[in-house]
Amino acid sequence: GQQVMQIPQYQHVQEGEDFTTYCNSSTTLSNIQWYKQRPGGHPVFLIQLVKSGEVKKQKRLTFQFGEAKKNSSLHITATQTTDVGTYFCLHGNTGKLIFGQGTTLQVKP
Amino acid sequence: NAGVTQTPKFQVLKTGQSMTLQCAQDMNHEYMSWYRQDPGMGLRLIHYSVGAGITDQGEVPNGYNVSRSTTEDFPLRLLSAAPSQTSVYFCASSYSTGNLNYGYTFGSGTRLTVV
Repeated sequence: GQQVMQIPQYQHVQEGEDFTTYCNSSTTLSNIQWYKQRPGGHPVFLIQLVKSGEVKKQKRLTFQFGEAKKNSSLHITATQTTDVGTYFCLHGNTGKLIFGQGTTLQVKP
Repeated sequence: NAGVTQTPKFQVLKTGQSMTLQCAQDMNHEYMSWYRQDPGMGLRLIHYSVGAGITDQGEVPNGYNVSRSTTEDFPLRLLSAAPSQTSVYFCASSYSTGNLNYGYTFGSGTRLTVV
């Protein structure tokens, strides 16, 4: 099946710094979704990207889907302590929906 | 509208015991799935269902059974619990049309310990 690598595994930033996590695939993805999981919580759906080159924004979060639909990124501008958690990408058609390994973000106040 | 409800929230089992983790959703979602989450391993797909009467295996199906007799319910059965099944289990559901899935709603999880 499709394998998606998510990097980095961990990221520590100072509050106010930017943060980016990437999902990279060797094959074309039909769509990609992003989720956030707070410590001790369950994953929460953030957004879905479907179109080649698509860019979507949610306040300080910017999501991109690559032109070749083989990679995606989540960028947070000026991190806050509320951004702490693990960010996962999810890919697949209806059927086997597989999560990336996740990027855990720590924010130092 | 309760979303996705998982029971129990916590469970301790002895090796060899069997049990069923319950999952119910009230959003009329066709697609439901079970994931397990272990430290450093992310979320791994156990089984999934694209509709009532249809189930299929995910990445790590061994030791687990599922059934989908109704749209609302998708129970996960542990046949003979092993310490390697100690994990947090999440049930999730989503709306889907054709080939596209529209974002999961997750339950709050079941923390299972097998001793």
